Amino acid sequence: DTAVSQTPKYLVTQMGNDKSIKCEQNLGHDTMYWYKQDSKKFLKIMFSYNNKELIINETVPNRFSPKSPDKAHLNLHINSLELGDSAVYFCASSFPGQGGGYTFGSGTRLTVV
Amino acid sequence: TQLLEQSPQFLSIQEGENLTVYCNSSSVFSSLQWYRQEPGEGPVLLVTVVTGGEVKKLKRLTFQFGDARKDSSLHITAAQPGDTGLYLCAGPGGSNYKLTFGKGTLLTVNP
Repeated sequence: DTAVSQTPKYLVTQMGNDKSIKCEQNLGHDTMYWYKQDSKKFLKIMFSYNNKELIINETVPNRFSPKSPDKAHLNLHINSLELGDSAVYFCASSFPGQGGGYTFGSGTRLTVV
Repeated sequence: TQLLEQSPQFLSIQEGENLTVYCNSSSVFSSLQWYRQEPGEGPVLLVTVVTGGEVKKLKRLTFQFGDARKDSSLHITAAQPGDTGLYLCAGPGGSNYKLTFGKGTLLTVNP
């Protein structure tokens, strides 16, 4: 029933490891996003995809690689994790256009130790 | 990049009080959105305002878009503990595929 679901909810891992976060939406939206929320609660866009095509890459390090197998899924793979990657990562979806509201997942709290 | 400044950053009030939070920019926005985020959850869309001067009401919440479309406010009447959360304003970030967020106002309503 969940509109935008992302897994896992929590991820604790050591520096240097590789990890993935999965996201799926059942709203029929064309556009999906990854946002990073830092410890001060600032939400910053990382990537946006429209119909499986990368539209925006907001100067994110190459260690982050999104993949969209179809327009309902957008996964995020992170290589060689660093301490500074610790944050909450949110997946979201919408119809494209400047008035379209976003539906967010409940977030993945990544802790790199 | 179009920036959105929100104030105050933190607000702690007693149940029953009224409050207003602000979202300001030096840029003109075609629309602005307000979201509320509760702990451990993602932001949830409250409203979208698109016309300068527009006022929208959602029960005890009143949203206003400035005439020049550079600012917006959210007024809550008779706040309740359930209103506690992070209130975020957001606007198109120069693309149909990017929403830029303000840094939010963290509201705590004490019983």
